[in-house]
Amino acid sequence: GAGVSQSPSNKVTEKGKDVELRCDPISGHTALYWYRQSLGQGLEFLIYFQGNSAPDKSGLPSDRFSAERTGGSVSTLTIQRTQQEDSAVYLCASSLFSYRQEAFFGQGTRLTVV
Amino acid sequence: QKEVEQNSGPLSVPEGAIASLNCTYSDRGSQSFFWYRQYSGKSPELIMSIYSNGDQEDGRFTAQLNKASQYVSLLIRDSQPSDSATYLCAVNMGSGGYQKVTFGTGTKLQVIP
Repeated sequence: GAGVSQSPSNKVTEKGKDVELRCDPISGHTALYWYRQSLGQGLEFLIYFQGNSAPDKSGLPSDRFSAERTGGSVSTLTIQRTQQEDSAVYLCASSLFSYRQEAFFGQGTRLTVV
Repeated sequence: QKEVEQNSGPLSVPEGAIASLNCTYSDRGSQSFFWYRQYSGKSPELIMSIYSNGDQEDGRFTAQLNKASQYVSLLIRDSQPSDSATYLCAVNMGSGGYQKVTFGTGTKLQVIP
């Protein structure tokens, strides 16, 4: 595709429900990142994929958060039993695996937990 | 020590002035360095990449890299109100089979008309 695509753009969910956020990286990009950004705050790293494996999951805030990537392409971030503090914009970025590693971002998913 | 450090600002400059944004990083072996611009409510957008010591210029933007000092900067000449945004420094850290782009927390720039 032309760019990184995330869906849905907006998601409103009730506290306690599970949500799935999707990221379609740029074709051929083997590295994929998930970040979270709360209002007025910086990027909070969540997880990094190289291909289908995740060498760095250090940013996942709790075991309610998980992510997977299949076929070296699409990634899904799942949040179980959502809490109000999970409300944020979730951003995905992808890059070629090279020393240049220019990362390009999707438009984000705005998650609101009510 | 944070891996990538930036002053959070806000940095206020008058229209037409030079804005200077700074970033330091911890991994001496880092090879690639990037500046992103993020407008409020939008995703970060890549504006500059730099890979070797010295200056890299693109229009009104100049990225400067000093690997010995582990320091990267972004200069914006003739600053415009439309340059008001948060600027994120990013560094490709690691080597060989493991490399990861790490972001700073960003510096908010305000250009005063």
